[in-house]
Amino acid sequence: NAGVTQTPKFQVLKTGQSMTLQCAQDMNHNSMYWYRQDPGMGLRLIYYSASEGTTDKGEVPNGYNVSRLNKREFSLRLESAAPSQTSVYFCASSGLAGYTDTQYFGPGTRLTVL
Amino acid sequence: QKEVEQDPGPLSVPEGAIVSLNCTYSNSAFQYFMWYRQYSRKGPELLMYTYSSGNKEDGRFTAQVDKSSKYISLFIRDSQPSDSATYLCAMSAGYQKVTFGIGTKLQVIP
Repeated sequence: NAGVTQTPKFQVLKTGQSMTLQCAQDMNHNSMYWYRQDPGMGLRLIYYSASEGTTDKGEVPNGYNVSRLNKREFSLRLESAAPSQTSVYFCASSGLAGYTDTQYFGPGTRLTVL
Repeated sequence: QKEVEQDPGPLSVPEGAIVSLNCTYSNSAFQYFMWYRQYSRKGPELLMYTYSSGNKEDGRFTAQVDKSSKYISLFIRDSQPSDSATYLCAMSAGYQKVTFGIGTKLQVIP
């Protein structure tokens, strides 16, 4: 039981390049989330998926797209990376929709955009 | 004003001390309250979860929620160097969206 896994762990991009961050969970959770964490800003929600087949914008969605591939997998895509997207990205999942919002986090992806 | 306010610290205490970490919030609809611990260069991990007001104890950790004051606390008794981490409060009104504090960095000095 790996919980929430993320790939890659580290990535360096040049401005304008694209990439996809992958996330998978093996807890049979319905909901999945993408956050970014920046110093002094805390965790900010980029996108979330309440259930397979649905996605919704969070607090800071501009410059990102997501795909809920199936119940296990939720990917985050940067189409044209910008230095402002340098951050640590966390994927999370939660199980019982509407009752508890306890989220379980992956180890993070450290992204630097030059 | 942010929905959730948390002092970022850092907070340094000697080993064995009682640590008090706090958050205030403005959204009276919040009813689920959580504390996460985040070690350096790791993802947050759930430490405590409480629903509505009251206290919850788990080993050396006690979480308190005072909804009338919109104030939550996490107490750590007999603090250990292994407790050195950033502690994030988090809260939700339900419907899966969780609002996090920015985290308080704690250092427990041996």
